[in-house]
Amino acid sequence: RKEVEQDPGPFNVPEGATVAFNCTYSNSASQSFFWYRQDCRKEPKLLMSVYSSGNEDGRFTAQLNRASQYISLLIRDSKLSDSATYLCVVNKGTGGYQKVTFGTGTKLQVIP
Amino acid sequence: ETGVTQSPTHLIKTRGQQVTLRCSSQSGHNTVSWYQQALGQGPQFIFQYYREEENGRGNFPPRFSGLQFPNYSSELNVNALELDDSALYLCATPDRFTGELFFGEGSRLTVL
Repeated sequence: RKEVEQDPGPFNVPEGATVAFNCTYSNSASQSFFWYRQDCRKEPKLLMSVYSSGNEDGRFTAQLNRASQYISLLIRDSKLSDSATYLCVVNKGTGGYQKVTFGTGTKLQVIP
Repeated sequence: ETGVTQSPTHLIKTRGQQVTLRCSSQSGHNTVSWYQQALGQGPQFIFQYYREEENGRGNFPPRFSGLQFPNYSSELNVNALELDDSALYLCATPDRFTGELFFGEGSRLTVL
C-alpha cells in the first residue's frame, strides 16, 4: 500500500462547479499535512495547510480526519485558472528531520 | 519568492553520462531535500541533507548521491545515467516549524 494515496483523475468539471479531492495516508505518526498545486511543467506550490479543525481560504476548504487518516480538499465555484494538478502531502518529521511524502496528484481540468 | 534557486533549468544527457544539479537556498535553511518527479507522477523523495550530512534517503540506488555545503547550497549527482532518469528534479527546503516545503523551479533532465 502506498503511504499517500490519491485518485489521479482527471476530474473534468464545468466552470462554477464544486469539486472534492480525497487523500488517505498510512502512517499514523504523520504530523503535518498540506495541499500543493502544480501547474504543468512547474514546481509545486503550497495551496494550503490542513488542520484537524478544518480551514478555509476563499473558495478552498481543507479537512483532516486523523482517526480515519484522511484529508480532503473542496473547491467551490471552480474557475478556469484552477486547472492544475493537486498534490496531497504528508510530513512526519520535525525540525532538522523532515520526512515528506507526496501523493501522485489529482489532475483537475475546469471546462468553459 | 521561495528563496530557493536551481541550475541548470534544462539539460540533455546521453545514457551512461554523469550529471550534477545544483540548488541554493537563502541563509538559515540548513535542511535541503531532493525529489525526482517523472511525468504524470508525484515527486519521489531521493534524499535529505541537514547540516551537511545525509539524514534520510528514499528508494534510490547509490548512483544518486549528494552534497550540502557550509553556505547551504547543495548538489545532486547522478552517475551512469539511464533513460528512466529523465525527470524534473526538485530541491526544497522546509520550514522547520510548519513543515511547509519551499521548492526551487526544478531542473528538467532528459536522457537520450
